[in-house]
Amino acid sequence: QVTVRESGPALVKPTQTLTLTCTFSGVSLSTSGMCVSWIRQPPGKALEWLARIDWDDDKYYNTSLKTRLTISKDTSKNQVVFTMTNMDPVDTATYYCARAIGTNGPFDIWGQGTMVTVSS
Amino acid sequence: EIVLTQFPDFQSVTPKEKVTITCRASQSFGSSLHWYQQKPDQSPKLLIKDASQSISGVPSRFSGSRSGADFTLTINSLGAEDAAVYYCHQTGSLPYTFGQGTKLEIK
Repeated sequence: QVTVRESGPALVKPTQTLTLTCTFSGVSLSTSGMCVSWIRQPPGKALEWLARIDWDDDKYYNTSLKTRLTISKDTSKNQVVFTMTNMDPVDTATYYCARAIGTNGPFDIWGQGTMVTVSS
Repeated sequence: EIVLTQFPDFQSVTPKEKVTITCRASQSFGSSLHWYQQKPDQSPKLLIKDASQSISGVPSRFSGSRSGADFTLTINSLGAEDAAVYYCHQTGSLPYTFGQGTKLEIK
């Protein structure tokens, strides 16, 4: 059974850098076709895709946020790490990690999400 | 960037009714269009993949179809448990995008 869990701070201050970790169990991040994305959802609003990292370490980013985002993985820990710099109150949202199989695959497994509030 | 526009934004329906939600794409990207259900305080759940392919464990009353740039999610014989927000999502072209969501209320 594949499970995924996000972890990170619940509160960050404006201008700080947010770092979130996504830990997988039951599947290796090195498995061919394994793609992991980060998605966020402000309270009461729609989902927004942020970034993706593939089994072969290819990386892709949301066009409008690209300069602030970094995605990486630690295969020894089976974790994906996501950072977003220069946090602002508008970045307050629930941040999700999700898996897809194949570059066009749907997100078939989601974490429970982690709520991040940006406030001084 | 591909814009996905869902309609309606909100629909109130009675149990056992049939519901259709449409997702219109601003550009062509193939058939990598997926549907998710999100209930309050839960993560999204995959319902349909690649426009019309069913997902194991999802009730058969959920189905998907495509006509040109319009993708449709159909829910037959609606139940109280289907109250949720439904999102379409495309993975055929980067950056990935989601529709704005359709909230379904059960009367």
